[in-house]
Amino acid sequence: QAVLTQPPSVSGAPGQRVTISCTGSSSNIGAGYDVHWYQHLPETAPKLLISANFNRPSGVPDRFSGSKSGTSASLAITGLQAEDEAEYFCQSYDRSLGTYVFGTGTKVTVL
Amino acid sequence: QLQLEESGPGLVKPSETLALTCTVSGGAIRGSSHYWGWIRHSPGKGLEWLGSIYSSGSTYYKPSLQRRVTISVDTSKNQFSLKLRSVTAADAGVYYCARHPGIVGSNLDYWGQGTLVNVSS
Repeated sequence: QAVLTQPPSVSGAPGQRVTISCTGSSSNIGAGYDVHWYQHLPETAPKLLISANFNRPSGVPDRFSGSKSGTSASLAITGLQAEDEAEYFCQSYDRSLGTYVFGTGTKVTVL
Repeated sequence: QLQLEESGPGLVKPSETLALTCTVSGGAIRGSSHYWGWIRHSPGKGLEWLGSIYSSGSTYYKPSLQRRVTISVDTSKNQFSLKLRSVTAADAGVYYCARHPGIVGSNLDYWGQGTLVNVSS
């Protein structure tokens, strides 16, 4: 099972702000490992959206932002646009498992 | 722009070996100082890292799969491959290849679009 917990779905109207949580434990996020976020559209390659908790790779709009606190992290999308409708998942590393770990995934719907 | 593309059979029989290849274009594996890995998404377990190989050939596997997984690289073809032995229905899912800069705590900065593998007789 995916080790990091995310809400199955979030929705918002165009222009609104939505947030997605990613909850882990003391062996992954709480141990200080970075959290990374990805956007995944059907039939396409997942795209790195936020690297190392809050860094946006080149080309990622600044309406996407990340944060981390304790054993959790969050992805915020401000000024929601129709093209943001996709699945989003988080990723970190777990020292007990000795593996990369992923979130359960969140489907964002633009109303 | 780096691109990765998975290829291989979409159907594998139970107890047989799943074999997939990832072809990299837009950049060379040899001397890249990156890791090249395999991730799968299955209904039962969600996204799961299976293992990775460094450009020099060093391998790293998910501990629970270590006995069944082999990842290899062919720098002459700019490809790396996954073999998963003794598959069961639980191994069905979408398999992705990806690149990552480090082995602990790194992001996965480039992914393939995935290939669906079913396990059935």
